[in-house]
Amino acid sequence: AQSVTQPDIHITVSEGASLELRCNYSYGATPYLFWYVQSPGQGLQLLLKYFSGDTLVQGIKGFEAEFKRSQSSFNLRKPSVHWSDAAEYFCARRNAGNMLTFGGGTRLMVKP
Amino acid sequence: EAGVTQFPSHSVIEKGQTVTLRCDPISGHDNLYWYRRVMGKEIKFLLHFVKESKQDESGMPNNRFLAERTGGTYSTLKVQPAELEDSGVYFCASSPDGPGAFFGQGTRLTVV
Repeated sequence: AQSVTQPDIHITVSEGASLELRCNYSYGATPYLFWYVQSPGQGLQLLLKYFSGDTLVQGIKGFEAEFKRSQSSFNLRKPSVHWSDAAEYFCARRNAGNMLTFGGGTRLMVKP
Repeated sequence: EAGVTQFPSHSVIEKGQTVTLRCDPISGHDNLYWYRRVMGKEIKFLLHFVKESKQDESGMPNNRFLAERTGGTYSTLKVQPAELEDSGVYFCASSPDGPGAFFGQGTRLTVV
């Protein structure tokens, strides 16, 4: 079955530091990949998505992600984290059935 | 433009009672999805509507769950009778095509 793995359940970074959240997907045809963020009390917000083409994808709020087929990864990055980035982040892939399969999520804490 | 709206935001019910969750998608979005996240687990797909038709309900846990989308607009998800393991956050998403890019804020259901 197609799956998504986020190896890190919790990550803590200092404000202003760089961030990388890991996401690995199970092998399959070129996947459609997504990153979502859920801030406290909010719904899921789409940060960015990859379908094809340029493997470095720019998203909202200064986030980017890079698709690496050789590593089956789609890691999310941000060069300088702000306190407002504290949230839970979800990687997801589109399945053949046209629904999303999500990773378990990574909770980001930002130290002042 | 209004986003995906879910009602209620929270619901606490006793085991054996009935609860109905509602989702109002973005106007004009034919695709409507329900997902659920139980405590400590991944967000899991429940079902997918295209207009008023159930395209895929493979994620519905059992026959205590009934989803409808009369007229292809809003959708309801009824749990009858509710069990303790039904507790979690229920998300609705809508999109004009493909898997949902627009999620609601979720309904937190607690069964006691």
